[in-house]
Amino acid sequence: GDSVTQMEGPVTLSEEAFLTINCTYTATGYPSLFWYVQYPGEGLQLLLKATKADDKGSNKGFEATYRKETTSFHLEKGSVQVSDSAVYFCALNTGGATNKLIFGTGTLLAVQP
Amino acid sequence: DAGVIQSPRHEVTEMGQEVTLRCKPISGHDYLFWYRQTMMRGLELLIYFNNNVPIDDSGMPEDRFSAKMPNASFSTLKIQPSEPRDSAVYFCASSLASSGNTIYFGEGSWLTVV
Repeated sequence: GDSVTQMEGPVTLSEEAFLTINCTYTATGYPSLFWYVQYPGEGLQLLLKATKADDKGSNKGFEATYRKETTSFHLEKGSVQVSDSAVYFCALNTGGATNKLIFGTGTLLAVQP
Repeated sequence: DAGVIQSPRHEVTEMGQEVTLRCKPISGHDYLFWYRQTMMRGLELLIYFNNNVPIDDSGMPEDRFSAKMPNASFSTLKIQPSEPRDSAVYFCASSLASSGNTIYFGEGSWLTVV
C-alpha cells in the first residue's frame, strides 16, 4: 500500500545551520506531496506542497522538490532559526476516490541559539 | 476566511463518560477527516466523509467510537464509554476535491480520560 518514510528524529541544529529532513514515498499512482509543520501545542499547518514530478514547493525559506525517479520529497532550509523548532510531517495524497493524507511518523527539529 | 473550527479545545473526563468532539469544516469543502494523534501511534486517520457520506471508517478503533456528519457544516466524533487509552489529540480536517488535494487542519481537541 501507499506509505511515507521520513528520517527519525530528533534533529538538533544550531541557529543558521543548514537543514535537510529526508522523506521517501511509495505510491501506486501519482500522488501530491506535502510537508506539514506542528509547533508545540498547536495543530498541523501546511508548510508546502508539490503536485507533480519536478515541482518545487517553497514557503518561509523551506523548499522541497518532487523527485519521481528517487520517490523523494526532502525538506531543506538554508539557515534555520530557533522559531523553526517543531515537528515536521511528510505526507502524500493520491487523490481521486481515495482523497486522504498518508503521513510519515514526523521528525522533531530542535534549533538551539 | 475561517479555518476548520473544533470544540472543545481541551477536555478532561472520567473513564466511562461520553465524550463528544465537534467540528465545523471550511465553508464549501466537500471532504472532512477525523485524525487522532498519540505519541505511540503518531497520526492515524479514523474516518473521512465526502459530501457528508462516510467513505472509509476502517481506522475507527472499535464500536465505542462513532462519527456523524448531519450536514455540510458540522461533524461530531463521539466516544462512549471513554477509556484512559483514548487520551489523545483529535484533529478534524477538511478539503475541497478540486483544490489539488490540500487538506487543512483544525487546532485539535486535546482529550484526557482519567
